[in-house]
Amino acid sequence: AQSVTQLDSHVSVSEGTPVLLRCNYSSSYSPSLFWYVQHPNKGLQLLLKYTSAATLVKGINGFEAEFKKSETSFHLTKPSAHMSDAAEYFCVVSDGGATNKLIFGTGTLLAVQP
Amino acid sequence: ETGVTQSPTHLIKTRGQQVTLRCSSQSGHNTVSWYQQALGQGPQFIFQYYREEENGRGNFPPRFSGLQFPNYSSELNVNALELDDSALYLCASSPKSGGRIDTQYFGPGTRLTVL
Repeated sequence: AQSVTQLDSHVSVSEGTPVLLRCNYSSSYSPSLFWYVQHPNKGLQLLLKYTSAATLVKGINGFEAEFKKSETSFHLTKPSAHMSDAAEYFCVVSDGGATNKLIFGTGTLLAVQP
Repeated sequence: ETGVTQSPTHLIKTRGQQVTLRCSSQSGHNTVSWYQQALGQGPQFIFQYYREEENGRGNFPPRFSGLQFPNYSSELNVNALELDDSALYLCASSPKSGGRIDTQYFGPGTRLTVL
């Protein structure tokens, strides 16, 4: 069965410093992986997705993630945090079945300090 | 291009009542999935509809049911509401072609409170 583990429930950074949100996955085959962001009282917005093409995936708002099969990781990074990045981030794997349903991690709450 | 929309945005019901939530899919998307997000948790898959038929279901009881209409919009119905049904209900639409469901795009959600 597919699953993802987000290693940090809370991350706090200062504005202008790098962001690293960690995610490990478990999958019996080459997975499709996603990062979604959820701002307070909002729905989920797709940041980026990996579907077995390039291992370094670039997303919106300056975010990127690197798929590392040897480490079963898919960490999300951004070189310089902005106040507007404060939100909950979800690492997600699709189950690859008939529904391609999404399996979410528990989320990482990113706080950005001025 | 219009994204996924959901109505209502907020809803308050009492235990035992029934509720209907609505979702309009993004233009060109023929598949709708519903997720439940309890407070402080990640969303959980409820079920998915494709061409007006249920295409798969998560670990939710039968009192959670749905419909999809010819225009691909969808409803989620919950009967005999329980306190634990209080959650944010998210709808996601995606295109399906060649037997494969593509990236899912989410609506803003409906916040259901059961008292």
